[in-house]
Amino acid sequence: AQKITQTQPGMFVQEKEAVTLDCTYDTSDPSYGLFWYKQPSSGEMIFLIYQGSYDQQNATEGRYSLNFQKARKSANLVISASQLGDSAMYFCAMREGIGYKLSFGAGTTVTVRA
Amino acid sequence: ETGVTQTPRHLVMGMTNKKSLKCEQHLGHNAMYWYKQSAKKPLELMFVYNFKEQTENNSVPSRFSPECPNSSHLFLHLHTLQPEDSALYLCASSALPVQGASYEQYFGPGTRLTVT
Repeated sequence: AQKITQTQPGMFVQEKEAVTLDCTYDTSDPSYGLFWYKQPSSGEMIFLIYQGSYDQQNATEGRYSLNFQKARKSANLVISASQLGDSAMYFCAMREGIGYKLSFGAGTTVTVRA
Repeated sequence: ETGVTQTPRHLVMGMTNKKSLKCEQHLGHNAMYWYKQSAKKPLELMFVYNFKEQTENNSVPSRFSPECPNSSHLFLHLHTLQPEDSALYLCASSALPVQGASYEQYFGPGTRLTVT
């Protein structure tokens, strides 16, 4: 079964507007971590934000925030005030327990329009 | 150099060649990873090393042979590859797992491999 589901293959957003990228996950482990990564066309995966399953508050990092809804098993990424440099592929990932393995979603391509 | 570096950035090889990919991390981490990213497929974990010891082999064919001589360096030796092995190979590193910590993985820029 798919552990991470990203249903939006591609999105367009106007510069300076906010965009929400969907991510749902599937796990029976009470301890897990959720990550978002950005992959520009250059290929490098850039870590953006982390949310632990026991964290009470939604994670925020600058213009990135994570809308964590535990009961719905969703961890949506919100990018506020989009910039042209935000155009990239975005991946949601999950780690279960305290192991090493990250399970990645298929990704969402974001294109920011001027 | 900072972060995670990978060489070469691009590699074209024939099916009978032998080549190696190199990864180096400058973050003081003790865990290193190889991932494969093929077109239209999610990122796949290949190998994990913890303090130079391999802790995970995700059913990778033996034509891929990893080597981790120390905590800062990771190699992927390639031999008799198939065209379907063409992909972006990403190296990553992280701190060791600790309950409650994020120990996020930091990635290198990848090696774009084409097998002809």
